Amino acid sequence: EAQVTQNPRYLITVTGKKLTVTCSQNMNHEYMSWYRQDPGLGLRQIYYSMNVEVTDKGDVPEGYKVSRKEKRNFPLILESPSPNQTSLYFCASTQGEGVNTEAFFGQGTRLTVV
Amino acid sequence: AQSVAQPEDQVNVAEGNPLTVKCTYSVSGNPYLFWYVQYPNRGLQFLLKYITGDNLVKGSYGFEAEFNKSQTSFHLKKPSALVSDSALYFCAVRDLNTGFQKLVFGTGTRLLVSP
Repeated sequence: EAQVTQNPRYLITVTGKKLTVTCSQNMNHEYMSWYRQDPGLGLRQIYYSMNVEVTDKGDVPEGYKVSRKEKRNFPLILESPSPNQTSLYFCASTQGEGVNTEAFFGQGTRLTVV
Repeated sequence: AQSVAQPEDQVNVAEGNPLTVKCTYSVSGNPYLFWYVQYPNRGLQFLLKYITGDNLVKGSYGFEAEFNKSQTSFHLKKPSALVSDSALYFCAVRDLNTGFQKLVFGTGTRLLVSP
């Protein structure tokens, strides 16, 4: 089954404790992204990757890092989480460069930073 | 910059009645528009897309959307709502200015279908 898998689904952590949210896709997609969803703001892009070792900032990259060492994996790293990073996070992957291709989303990771 | 607006935070409809979830867009160039649905504790699921061609686009679960260039709208519709359609719906546009990778989302509309 084609899917994007995120882990963990739920995470409560303390301010300043480094964490990683993993994302893996089994569709051999070139493009992967991270979004955060906040009430009243919709989804906003954090980082994206166009292929292995190619990443770039989205609209809200501050406080986040990513890496793309393998095509299937795109982890999101919070080096020093803060309460304003409490949010629902989604990883997405897209096939190719076509404008007509839809994105596939993971099930989300609900992060709470206390 | 590309943007979409969903003017209603919530839409209430009775089961069996038609539903409409509104979306308007602002883009430079041709619009590439998408609708996604988010069920509780689930990720976003693709419903349908408009790229070019017929203004009435049919998608999953009986949903359709009407593209209107003059009104810059892409409203989501369904002839007969089901209680199971209750979810959060997002309209999105592909941002071509930053490459094809990025989707710009609206703020979402919660649909509540009552029995």
